[in-house]
Amino acid sequence: GIQVEQSPPDLILQEGANSTLRCNFSDSVNNLQWFHQNPWGQLINLFYIPSGTKQNGRLSATTVATERYSLLYISSSQTTDSGVYFCAVYAGGTSYGKLTFGQGTILTVHP
Amino acid sequence: DAGVIQSPRHEVTEMGQEVTLRCKPISGHNSLFWYRQTMMRGLELLIYFNNNVPIDDSGMPEDRFSAKMPNASFSTLKIQPSEPRDSAVYFCASSLVPNQPQHFGDGTRLSIL
Repeated sequence: GIQVEQSPPDLILQEGANSTLRCNFSDSVNNLQWFHQNPWGQLINLFYIPSGTKQNGRLSATTVATERYSLLYISSSQTTDSGVYFCAVYAGGTSYGKLTFGQGTILTVHP
Repeated sequence: DAGVIQSPRHEVTEMGQEVTLRCKPISGHNSLFWYRQTMMRGLELLIYFNNNVPIDDSGMPEDRFSAKMPNASFSTLKIQPSEPRDSAVYFCASSLVPNQPQHFGDGTRLSIL
C-alpha cells in the first residue's frame, strides 16, 4: 500500500516562530488532508488540498502532487498550535475512499 | 450543524466483556469510517461504509470485531469478547461521498482491564 512519511517527527518552538511541516507519499494520490490533533485528542480538519496552495489565517498548505509531497506552514505560532499534525492521503484504485495517515509531527510551542 | 457524534466518550471494562461503540454521522453524509488509534500503529482504518453498505473491512483485526450500519444516521462497532490489546481510541468519521473531506468525531477512549 501507499506509504506516508512526515517530517520532522518532533518540533519545539518559541511562541511567534514560523515552521514548515512536510509530508511525502510514495504513490500518486487523489487527494490529501491535513489534521491537527489537539491535546484533548480531537482531530480537526485543517486543509483538503489535492494540489496548489490554500491559506487559512496563520496556516497555509501547498501540495505538489506530481512530486508527491505536501507542506504545512505555520506562521507566528501560538501555544494553542501545540499538538500533533497529521497528513493523510487518498489513494486510488482498490484504496478508493480510504485515508492513509502518516505518523504525525508532534509540535510543542512554548510561551 | 452538528458534527459526528460518538458515544460513549470513555469506556472501561473487563476483559471478556462485550463492548459497543456508537456513531451518528453528519446528516447527509453517505460515507462512514471507523478508525483506531494506538501509540504503536498510529491511526488505521478498520472499516468503511458507503450508503450503509460495508465497502472495505480489510482493516478489521479479527472476528471479535464487527460493525453495522442499519440506517444512514447510525453505526455501531462491537468487540466481543474484548481483550486488553483492544485498548485504544476509536474514531468515527463521515464524508459526503468517498474521497471527499472526512470529518471526525471526538473519539471513544476504550480501556480493557
